[in-house]
Amino acid sequence: RKEVEQDPGPFNVPEGATVAFNCTYSNSASQSFFWYRQDCRKEPKLLMSVYSSGNEDGRFTAQLNRASQYISLLIRDSKLSDSATYLCVVSGYSSASKIIFGSGTRLSIRP
Amino acid sequence: SQTIHQWPATLVQPVGSPLSLECTVEGTSNPNLYWYRQAAGRGLQLLFYSVGIGQISSEVPQNLSASRPQDRQFILSSKKLLLSDSGFYLCAWGSYRADYGYTFGSGTRLTVV
Repeated sequence: RKEVEQDPGPFNVPEGATVAFNCTYSNSASQSFFWYRQDCRKEPKLLMSVYSSGNEDGRFTAQLNRASQYISLLIRDSKLSDSATYLCVVSGYSSASKIIFGSGTRLSIRP
Repeated sequence: SQTIHQWPATLVQPVGSPLSLECTVEGTSNPNLYWYRQAAGRGLQLLFYSVGIGQISSEVPQNLSASRPQDRQFILSSKKLLLSDSGFYLCAWGSYRADYGYTFGSGTRLTVV
């Protein structure tokens, strides 16, 4: 079983739609969780951290479910510029922990 | 503010040639440093990570090696490149707090011919 698993997509949704991605992780000791965004042929960039209580940043909402070991990302009122690959990232608490990336979910927003 | 530099941006190398990719970080001290590789259309594969000078952890057995000669310098090397080494190589740094996230360099696109 992969340490971090994501639905690869692609998700093809119209502009203005709401779209949600899930990501599951296998290591119950994982402590830090993030969503990254990667545009074609570019480096990944941090979209948002994921906190236990859930957190929101504008149109983006991230949730963590430790019991079921998954995190989610919800994008509301999607824009054309949201088209990208979204990567789920999991790591431990220690500074020596390695960080594990999911293989990414591709999102395409159509006009 | 912290910045991460990675070079070169693009590299075409023949099979069997050596490789040296460099990554440096500015504006922080004692960062955790990482090398990732991304094959075309695939996810990121962790190759090496380092929590301090001379401390390297290898995740994947292969013909690549990494070194950290200075606190903010991380080097990825190979003595003889294989065709399968082609990919997008990304260096990243993180602070002592894992929950602060990680920042990537702009990457090196390596094509082995």
